[in-house]
Amino acid sequence: DVKVTQSSRYLVKRTGEKVFLECVQDMDHENMFWYRQDPGLGLRLIYFSYDVKMKEKGDIPEGYSVSREKKERFSLILESASTNQTSMYLCASSAPSSGGWHNEQFFGPGTRLTVL
Amino acid sequence: TQLLEQSPQFLSIQEGENLTVYCNSSSVFSSLQWYRQEPGEGPVLLVTVVTGGEVKKLKRLTFQFGDARKDSSLHITAAQPGDTGLYLCAGGRAGNMLTFGGGTRLMVKP
Repeated sequence: DVKVTQSSRYLVKRTGEKVFLECVQDMDHENMFWYRQDPGLGLRLIYFSYDVKMKEKGDIPEGYSVSREKKERFSLILESASTNQTSMYLCASSAPSSGGWHNEQFFGPGTRLTVL
Repeated sequence: TQLLEQSPQFLSIQEGENLTVYCNSSSVFSSLQWYRQEPGEGPVLLVTVVTGGEVKKLKRLTFQFGDARKDSSLHITAAQPGDTGLYLCAGGRAGNMLTFGGGTRLMVKP
């Protein structure tokens, strides 16, 4: 059974703290993604990685950074957490797409982060 | 930035009713996916459509991709309580990335 796991289901942090969200996939996928999900806004892409040590900014990268040192692991870092980063964070992975076809993205269960 | 608008945002219906959810954009997408998300879980893929005018059926769910590949619809026949969830459309864009719509939250009451 394919799996994407996230390190925490719930997290509460204080403004200014450094926050690490970890994601691990067991499908040997090249692509990994970090999204945040807010009511009415759907999923918004923060960062995307298509290989180890490779990354691309998504639509809302400000205030976030990422790390991919191993193929199966993709970390999202909030350097100095702020209250407007309170959200649900979803990690996903997929095989590479080609020819206009986009492969299925497999999602983790999400981390609900609250910044006080 | 390519945008996808979903309507309606919320839908509450009785078991047995039919419904349609719409996903619209002014941009052309190379493919269009529909996901369903249940509480406490990540989204799960229902279908991918790639050809303009394509229609795919998954039991009581019918998915259509517009001829110009700018819009899509999801029709559910005889909805059941198990269909309750958040439905998300997602358009394929360059570089393996997807653009997601805002979602339609469906509640089917017994």
